[in-house]
Amino acid sequence: NAGVTQTPKFRVLKTGQSMTLLCAQDMNHEYMYWYRQDPGMGLRLIHYSVGEGTTAKGEVPDGYNVSRLKKQNFLLGLESAAPSQTSVYFCASSRSGGTGEQYFGPGTRLTVT
Amino acid sequence: DAKTTQPNSMESNEEEPVHLPCNHSTISGTDYIHWYRQLPSQGPEYVIHGLTSNVNNRMASLAIAEDRKSSTLILHRATLRDAAVYYCILQMNSGGYQKVTFGTGTKLQVIP
Repeated sequence: NAGVTQTPKFRVLKTGQSMTLLCAQDMNHEYMYWYRQDPGMGLRLIHYSVGEGTTAKGEVPDGYNVSRLKKQNFLLGLESAAPSQTSVYFCASSRSGGTGEQYFGPGTRLTVT
Repeated sequence: DAKTTQPNSMESNEEEPVHLPCNHSTISGTDYIHWYRQLPSQGPEYVIHGLTSNVNNRMASLAIAEDRKSSTLILHRATLRDAAVYYCILQMNSGGYQKVTFGTGTKLQVIP
């Protein structure tokens, strides 16, 4: 049981480049989330999904897109990276919404120069 | 929007109880109160959650004020492994709409 895995662990991008972060979970969870964490801050919700084929905006969705084509995977895309998107990105999954315990991945450290 | 307020840092002696406070005065009736903790360079780890009643599990206890405007996470005997940043979070799901609000967290230092 791997839990929640994230690929890649580290990435450096130049301004304007694009990339996709992959999150995978093997717990058959319905809900999946993407967060960003800036230095010294708490996590902020970017996008989330309440089931396969669904996505919704969180608190800070601008500049990001997501897709959930398979239940176990949740992809986060940056179409044109900006230095303000330098952050640590965490993916999480949970069985349910309000009451659900979230299981977090190890994070992806992204630097945009 | 509801938000949480926590002290930036706290200290505790090893094997002593620790009470970590959280203020959420604008909490709505559908918000659940969750606590997570985060070790350096790791993702957050679930600790406990509740709605109105006090809750206990193997890791901690959660005491929720009667008006739900504040809560306290209680670690009964702090160990060195409990040194982490503790986040008080409001989490709500209504008809597929999900809202998760993280505070800035309390950094707990455990002194041997």
